Amino acid sequence: ETGVTQTPRHLVMGMTNKKSLKCEQHLGHNAMYWYKQSAKKPLELMFVYSLEERVENNSVPSRFSPECPNSSHLFLHLHTLQPEDSALYLCASSQGGGRAVETQYFGPGTRLLVL
Amino acid sequence: DAKTTQPPSMDCAEGRAANLPCNHSTISGNEYVYWYRQIHSQGPQYIIHGLKNNETNEMASLIITEDRKSSTLILPHATLRDTAVYYCIVRGTASNTGKLIFGQGTTLQVKP
Repeated sequence: ETGVTQTPRHLVMGMTNKKSLKCEQHLGHNAMYWYKQSAKKPLELMFVYSLEERVENNSVPSRFSPECPNSSHLFLHLHTLQPEDSALYLCASSQGGGRAVETQYFGPGTRLLVL
Repeated sequence: DAKTTQPPSMDCAEGRAANLPCNHSTISGNEYVYWYRQIHSQGPQYIIHGLKNNETNEMASLIITEDRKSSTLILPHATLRDTAVYYCIVRGTASNTGKLIFGQGTTLQVKP
């Protein structure tokens, strides 16, 4: 256990559905991240939140909408996804505000399948 | 951030030391070497990091060469549960945010 939890662990959704992924960190960190890992590909950073403010958005399509209501919780709202969005979505957290040399701790991920 | 080069795969016998190399010949003075691993379909797990000196923790040791152009992660007594993809990542303060750039890593197979 890393102190970062993600729910659900598995999700199957249709292209017209709306769903949300939840991440919670119990480490007292102040930065949180969303990553995407597609099959056979390296992890790709999607969003970075530092002190509840979004500080990075890596050209992610608007069908992915992050929300960070406080420093312990991070959501990824999904709507009208495409089959190519099927992937493992990983949440991470760190202490220090999202700077380069902080150690990030990852959750177990949500395995998403879009039909 | 500097790029890294790792062998795509390695085998190790259970109970023996696993030595995973990483080349980072373009590393700059303020860049750290980080190691993470990812067991199949799980989130990456932080292992260790260092700047210049060798580092050791309960999981592994990190040996960085004097010129800092390469490093070796050592798992002293590999177990079957250490089978995973191991990522060597170089990160520095020049980055604006904490972006971790994962390459292809080394797939370590620990065999009985």
